[in-house]
Amino acid sequence: ETGVTQTPRHLVMGMTNKKSLKCEQHLGHNAMYWYKQSAKKPLELMFVYSLEERVENNSVPSRFSPECPNSSHLFLHLHTLQPEDSALYLCASSHGYIQYFGAGTRLSVL
Amino acid sequence: GIQVEQSPPDLILQEGANSTLRCNFSDSVNNLQWFHQNPWGQLINLFYIPSGTKQNGRLSATTVATERYSLLYISSSQTTDSGVYFCAVAPGGSEKLVFGKGTKLTVNP
Repeated sequence: ETGVTQTPRHLVMGMTNKKSLKCEQHLGHNAMYWYKQSAKKPLELMFVYSLEERVENNSVPSRFSPECPNSSHLFLHLHTLQPEDSALYLCASSHGYIQYFGAGTRLSVL
Repeated sequence: GIQVEQSPPDLILQEGANSTLRCNFSDSVNNLQWFHQNPWGQLINLFYIPSGTKQNGRLSATTVATERYSLLYISSSQTTDSGVYFCAVAPGGSEKLVFGKGTKLTVNP
């Protein structure tokens, strides 16, 4: 248990659906991150929020929309995804250099 | 951008064996972390080690920043050590961790 909780753990959606991934941390951290892990590829940083402000948007398509309503919660809103978006989506938080990861949401887009 | 290379890509061990995993990086960093990802996808931070040597039980790590590499040592391996080990680095002033492709470790009983 790392203190970072992600829901749901598994998600199957069609290309026309809209869904949201949720991440919650109660570690008192001030930065939160979304990563994408595809098969055979390194983890890719998608978004960084520091003190609830987005400080990094790593050329992610607009069909992924992050939201950080407060320092403990982070969402990733998904719409009109493509099959190649199927992956493990990981959330992390940090205060300083060390990042703590959630268990991930395994997303399948049909 | 900074490049991170990990070796070997795959490693199979018998329980009780020792191993060394390597991470090379292409530029100076002020943040280097080793992670273990278990078969269920959970990433656990093992070490924050931008330089020097640290030990935690059967695991230890050494980073030689001037030569741009880090080593992770696993002694007396156990089946629960199986999974993928990632090295991740960030250049000075950046919060952006860049991950290597990982070393997949399988420990057989």
